[in-house]
Amino acid sequence: SAVISQKPSRDICQRGTSLTIQCQVDSQVTMMFWYRQQPGQSLTLIATANQGSEATYESGFVIDKFPISRPNLTFSTLTVSNLSPEDSSIYLCSVAKVRVADTQYFGPGTRLTVL
Amino acid sequence: KNEVEQSPQNLTAQEGEFITINCSYSVGISALHWLQQHPGGGIVSLFMLSSGKKKHGRLIATINIQEKHSSLHITASHPRDSAVYICAVSGGSNYKLTFGKGTLLTVNP
Repeated sequence: SAVISQKPSRDICQRGTSLTIQCQVDSQVTMMFWYRQQPGQSLTLIATANQGSEATYESGFVIDKFPISRPNLTFSTLTVSNLSPEDSSIYLCSVAKVRVADTQYFGPGTRLTVL
Repeated sequence: KNEVEQSPQNLTAQEGEFITINCSYSVGISALHWLQQHPGGGIVSLFMLSSGKKKHGRLIATINIQEKHSSLHITASHPRDSAVYICAVSGGSNYKLTFGKGTLLTVNP
């Protein structure tokens, strides 16, 4: 299994500022992902965080808005830049261990409200 | 791109009732996940299926690969089962998930 912690658990930010969310896993994992869940919507993949290299972004998401770091196999950060009210969402970190019985594990989420 | 449809969107049950949530998808997959999300937002993985049936306590998940359909059953439902249940699918070796919109389950005492 994998236990994931996210910081902060929630935050209220002003328009135009940035928020950095941390994801820490208790063991080394192969894959780390960042998802967004806007109010009333399903989860959407933002990007795959690659260890030691630039993240791989999904269509509609760009590095300037959502810079991601992954310095090692247990830690990643997602920054949401130049915040607007439309960025108010739950942001979730997810990890996968590549084994015979692959399972994805999810963090508790960070609830962001932008005023 | 895979389209994932869940039904029903909302479900209200009385404690003790048997509950079924359905999920269908449009393209062949490598695995299907059932997830539970509580009001705080955190997500717990309930099952990962690639074929057949799995059981954990009062929860049972089945998948029919030919029909591209999966069901999540809850036996003897309890108010603590109240949550959003989400179906997600992955294809290939990249482990990226496509999610359904979720089913909001409310179990009344």
